Amino acid sequence: ETGVTQTPRHLVMGMTNKKSLKCEQHLGHNAMYWYKQSAKKPLELMFVYNFKEQTENNSVPSRFSPECPNSSHLFLHLHTLQPEDSALYLCASSQATGNTEAFFGQGTRLTVV
Amino acid sequence: GIQVEQSPPDLILQEGANSTLRCNFSDSVNNLQWFHQNPWGQLINLFYIPSGTKQNGRLSATTVATERYSLLYISSSQTTDSGVYFCAAVSFMDTGRRALTFGSGTRLQVQP
Repeated sequence: ETGVTQTPRHLVMGMTNKKSLKCEQHLGHNAMYWYKQSAKKPLELMFVYNFKEQTENNSVPSRFSPECPNSSHLFLHLHTLQPEDSALYLCASSQATGNTEAFFGQGTRLTVV
Repeated sequence: GIQVEQSPPDLILQEGANSTLRCNFSDSVNNLQWFHQNPWGQLINLFYIPSGTKQNGRLSATTVATERYSLLYISSSQTTDSGVYFCAAVSFMDTGRRALTFGSGTRLQVQP
């Protein structure tokens, strides 16, 4: 198993659809993150979970709903998205203390039509 | 929060040339990482280097924490080095915050 795995790799959804992105880490980490990368923009932090508890929501619209059932899994539930939400969504994990080197998944490239 | 600035924004090299990418950050850091983003979007870890110098093959990095900058050196560049290089940091001052703040990246193109 690779360190951080994201599924699906590509997703096309309509504005009225509901879909979920999944992230799984096999590194024994206890912090997980969602980032958004839009075209021509730097990576933007969306959510942070430490030990399954959400510790940061970076003013993300409510049409994005994260879920962290355990320290190894992170989901991003999507509903009624807008075309401007089309982007690369990246999941990362790290230890919450000590050496906090973060590792990223391959990303989900989302297109909203 | 911490500010991370990278330069240059774009860089074109001939194969075999050397280059230096710079990252300036506004606060003391307890985490600084360099990544290479491949054409498929994945971020590949290059270095975890909050201070000091590290080398990995043709790549090396140096962080001078007291002067708040880090440098990534690429020697004998190859076409496979093309892509976007990101620097990202966590501020020592942001107590309890472990999430990386990213710079805008340096887009490197190595021509054969």
